[in-house]
Amino acid sequence: GAVVSQHPSRVICKSGTSVKIECRSLDFQATTMFWYRQFPKQSLMLMATSNEGSKATYEQGVEKDKFLINHASLTLSTLTVTSAHPEDSSFYICSADLAGYEQYFGPGTRLTVT
Amino acid sequence: AQSVAQPEDQVNVAEGNPLTVKCTYSVSGNPYLFWYVQYPNRGLQFLLKYITGDNLVKGSYGFEAEFNKSQTSFHLKKPSALVSDSALYFCAVRDQGRNAGNMLTFGGGTRLMVKP
Repeated sequence: GAVVSQHPSRVICKSGTSVKIECRSLDFQATTMFWYRQFPKQSLMLMATSNEGSKATYEQGVEKDKFLINHASLTLSTLTVTSAHPEDSSFYICSADLAGYEQYFGPGTRLTVT
Repeated sequence: AQSVAQPEDQVNVAEGNPLTVKCTYSVSGNPYLFWYVQYPNRGLQFLLKYITGDNLVKGSYGFEAEFNKSQTSFHLKKPSALVSDSALYFCAVRDQGRNAGNMLTFGGGTRLMVKP
C-alpha cells in the first residue's frame, strides 16, 4: 500500500527557533499534499494544501509567513515553523493525495516548543 | 461546504459486544466517505472507504460501515469488539464533484473504549 513518512517523529526546540518537518510519499508520486494540526483530544484541522511546483493554499487563520510550506518534488513537502512559540506546540500530520480521492497519512510529528 | 458530525465524544462497549460509532455528513454533491483510526501519538490509519457501489463496505480489522444516502450517514460497526479496538475514530468526507477540490473534512472524533 501507499506509504507516507514524516521526519522527525518528535522534536523539541527553543522558543524563537525554526523547525522543519518533512513529509515524503515513499512509493507513489503525490501532486498534492496536505498539512494538518491536531491539538490534544481534538480533530485534525487542515492548515494548508501543498501543490507540487506552486504556492501552497492556506486555510483561513493560518499564517503563511509563520508556517512555510514547500513542495519541491512529487514525493516531498516540507513544513517550516518559523520563530516557534510554545503555543505552536502540537501534533502535525501530513497526508498525500493518491488517485485524486484518497489521502494517505504520515505518522505525525510531535512538536514541543520550550 | 462540506461537514461531518460525530455526535458521540465517547462510546463505551464491553468486549465481545457489537459496537457502532456514528457519523453523519453534509456535501453538496455525492460523497466519498472514509473512516480512520488513531492510536495515541500516531498518525491516522485507514480503515475503510465508500466511493460507489455497495452501501455496505467492509474494511480492516473486521470493521464495516453502511452508507445511507437518505439519512446521510456512514456509521462504523463491528460485530464483536476487542479491547485492542480502543482508540480514537475519525469519519471524513469529500465531495466527488470535479470542482470540489480534494480536501477532506473530518468529524470531531469519537473515542472508543472497549472494556474486558
